[in-house]
Amino acid sequence: GDSVTQKQGQVTLSEDDFLFINCTYSTTTYPTLFWYVQYPGQGPQLLLKVTTANNKGISRGFEATYDKGTTSFHLQKASVQESDSAVYFCALVMSNYNVLYFGSGTKLTVEP
Amino acid sequence: EAAVTQSPRNKVTVTGGNVTLSCRQTNSHNYMYWYRQDTGHGLRLIHYSYGAGNLQIGDVPDGYKATRTTQEDFFLLLELASPSQTSLYFCASSPTSNQDTQYFGPGTRLLVL
Repeated sequence: GDSVTQKQGQVTLSEDDFLFINCTYSTTTYPTLFWYVQYPGQGPQLLLKVTTANNKGISRGFEATYDKGTTSFHLQKASVQESDSAVYFCALVMSNYNVLYFGSGTKLTVEP
Repeated sequence: EAAVTQSPRNKVTVTGGNVTLSCRQTNSHNYMYWYRQDTGHGLRLIHYSYGAGNLQIGDVPDGYKATRTTQEDFFLLLELASPSQTSLYFCASSPTSNQDTQYFGPGTRLLVL
């Protein structure tokens, strides 16, 4: 069945470091891919959406890229700030009911 | 910005207890979802609905019932709660089925003793 794998459980960086989080997926067709961010005490919120049409999305300094050849998509940011500390989830949607399949999440801690 | 509210925000019950978690969205969204979040698993879909009176089974439905009474209200029912259902529960809504953004509530933390 459809699945999303997010292997980096925790990432610790210093301010101004480069961020790279990778996800791989398994489906039979090309899905729409999402990155959601969850700040402490809150529900997840959409950060980026990447479709097969555009292959890339940019928001709030974050960039998401879709690689159909390796069935992977990743999230990157050139220079992280302490305020970026949060949990980042990759997700994909396949069904007609907008059902999301989530990765297990990457907890990012940015130290000052 | 879409608004999704959940109640209660925290709940403690005992094994075998009866629990109802409530979710309301006021944005006329058709689709609503219930997830549980556990460390190492991300968010897993329990049940979802595409309109009042409709219910669809998600990936981890065992031990849970749900009911969509109106377009705004979606309830998750645990009729015989077990410690394995201790988790953080999120409700979400989306306006359409077309790969649309889901808007999440603030979550309900449930502890089953």
